[in-house]
Amino acid sequence: AQKITQTQPGMFVQEKEAVTLDCTYDTSDPSYGLFWYKQPSSGEMIFLIYQGSYDQQNATEGRYSLNFQKARKSANLVISASQLGDSAMYFCAMRDPGNQFYFGTGTSLTVIP
Amino acid sequence: NAGVMQNPRHLVRRRGQEARLRCSPMKGHSHVYWYRQLPEEGLKFMVYLQKENIIDESGMPKERFSAEFPKEGPSILRIQQVVRGDSAAYFCASSHGGGAEQFFGPGTRLTVL
Repeated sequence: AQKITQTQPGMFVQEKEAVTLDCTYDTSDPSYGLFWYKQPSSGEMIFLIYQGSYDQQNATEGRYSLNFQKARKSANLVISASQLGDSAMYFCAMRDPGNQFYFGTGTSLTVIP
Repeated sequence: NAGVMQNPRHLVRRRGQEARLRCSPMKGHSHVYWYRQLPEEGLKFMVYLQKENIIDESGMPKERFSAEFPKEGPSILRIQQVVRGDSAAYFCASSHGGGAEQFFGPGTRLTVL
């Protein structure tokens, strides 16, 4: 069964606008972690933001925020004030209690000037 | 303050040859993870190691693939008798603890001719 689902293969956003990248997950464990990574065309994986399953508040890191809706099992990434350098692949990931990571298939974001 | 190091960055092998991929974790990290990324796909977990121990190899193909993380030196992912289907990007990540965030290396892009 798919653990992480990213339904948007590609997204476009106007520079300086906000964009939401969707992510839903599937687990029966009460304890888990949710992550977002950015992969630019150069190929490296860059950690963006983390949300623990017991965290009461949504995680924020600069222009990145994670819209965590536990009951709906969603962990959408919101990027505010998009910049041209935000164009990249974005991967949602979940860590289970055994510390194994599951990645989604990614969303390709293109920021339009 | 070096991050996770992987070498080589690019590796070309002919079918039937062996591929050795190296990963040096961040300083102070004793947990190493290997992932494979096929073209147009997300990362797939392969193996999780601590120093001298394989913790979880549930994502490793049963044949031709092996991994180690010796007491001294880098972690090695070894692929014997490579086939064209092994062509992929192989990422290593490290963490300082089992539940901590993982930091990724730049990846090794393996091409099998």
